[in-house]
Amino acid sequence: EDQVTQSPEALRLQEGESSSLNCSYTVSGLRGLFWYRQDPGKGPEFLFTLYSAGEEKEKERLKATLTKKESFLHITAPKPEDSATYLCAVSNYGGATNKLIFGTGTLLAVQP
Amino acid sequence: GAGVSQSPSNKVTEKGKDVELRCDPISGHTALYWYRQSLGQGLEFLIYFQGNSAPDKSGLPSDRFSAERTGGSVSTLTIQRTQQEDSAVYLCASSFDRHTGELFFGEGSRLTVL
Repeated sequence: EDQVTQSPEALRLQEGESSSLNCSYTVSGLRGLFWYRQDPGKGPEFLFTLYSAGEEKEKERLKATLTKKESFLHITAPKPEDSATYLCAVSNYGGATNKLIFGTGTLLAVQP
Repeated sequence: GAGVSQSPSNKVTEKGKDVELRCDPISGHTALYWYRQSLGQGLEFLIYFQGNSAPDKSGLPSDRFSAERTGGSVSTLTIQRTQQEDSAVYLCASSFDRHTGELFFGEGSRLTVL
């Protein structure tokens, strides 16, 4: 069964304190791995797609990387506005449709 | 507006009543998804529509749940005989086509069953 596990569940950082979020996955055939950001009371907002091991994507203070078993979301010198829940999701080649399987997320709080 | 629109934003109902949740996707997006997010839980896939193809209903939790998409655009998720465990945020998303994982989500409909 396809599964996504994210850690830690919650992370509190001081402004400027860099860290990484982890997403471990088990999938029959990885079509893609996706990172989303969700603010309270809002729907998730797309950040990145990664397709193959070794691939990296960057956006402002965020960098996503992918291996054959996990992905990391690196946050460099975070600011309070980076506070949100970060969600990881995968899709597989086994299914006929493009449904995404989500993890439960990491709640990030960045204190000034 | 340019984004995915959902209504109502909040719905409080009594156990046993039927509810309808509406989603208006981004114009031109052929794929439409419904997810459910319960407190402390991840997003749970419910149903997926792609163009005129038969929908993927594999995530619907029981036969009390149904959804339709009219004219390839607006979708309605119906929950019959609501139960307290149906309380959750119901999120709709659309994407340009089935090959992309870049989903555009609405803000959700929060359902509370008393």
